Amino acid sequence: EAQVTQNPRYLITVTGKKLTVTCSQNMNHEYMSWYRQDPGLGLRQIYYSMNVEVTDKGDVPEGYKVSRKEKRNFPLILESPSPNQTSLYFCASSLSPGTANTGELFFGEGSRLTVL
Amino acid sequence: DQQVKQNSPSLSVQEGRISILNCDYTNSMFDYFLWYKKYPAEGPTFLISISSIKDKNEDGRFTVFLNKSAKHLSLHIVPSQPGDSAVYFCAASASHAGGTSYGKLTFGQGTILTVHP
Repeated sequence: EAQVTQNPRYLITVTGKKLTVTCSQNMNHEYMSWYRQDPGLGLRQIYYSMNVEVTDKGDVPEGYKVSRKEKRNFPLILESPSPNQTSLYFCASSLSPGTANTGELFFGEGSRLTVL
Repeated sequence: DQQVKQNSPSLSVQEGRISILNCDYTNSMFDYFLWYKKYPAEGPTFLISISSIKDKNEDGRFTVFLNKSAKHLSLHIVPSQPGDSAVYFCAASASHAGGTSYGKLTFGQGTILTVHP
């Protein structure tokens, strides 16, 4: 089954404790992206990756890091989480940036993160 | 600066009636518009889209209308069903833009649709 898998789905942590949210897709997609969803703000892009070893900042990259060492994986790293990073996070992938533009962007089920 | 806005946080509709969800945008570079649907505890899924060269696109019970001069689009669901109850996100892309816009969707805040039996 074609899917985007995120882990963990739910996490409560404390300020400053490094954490990683993993994302894996099995569709051989080149393009991957991270979004966060906050009330009243919708979905905002954090980072994206056009292909292996190619990553770039989205609209709200502060406090986050990513890596793309393999095509299928795109982990989101919070080196020193703070309460304002409490949010619902979505990983998404698409065959290419072009198909991402036109609707073929597939999302994972989301990871709800709470930073105390 | 919210480039895509959904000004109605929620909408309640009776089963069988029409649901109309609205979306406004400000960026003239946007040339492709999409609606995503999201159920609780799931990721958003693509619903319907429209290119800026069209003013209407229909797919079954779902129709999207685009008014470029007003920078406004709307999603019509007819007839509405209880299973349509979800959060609906409007999104836009500059599909022919390069650089950091390539592949990027800009989302609105979302509208919670509740369809009552």
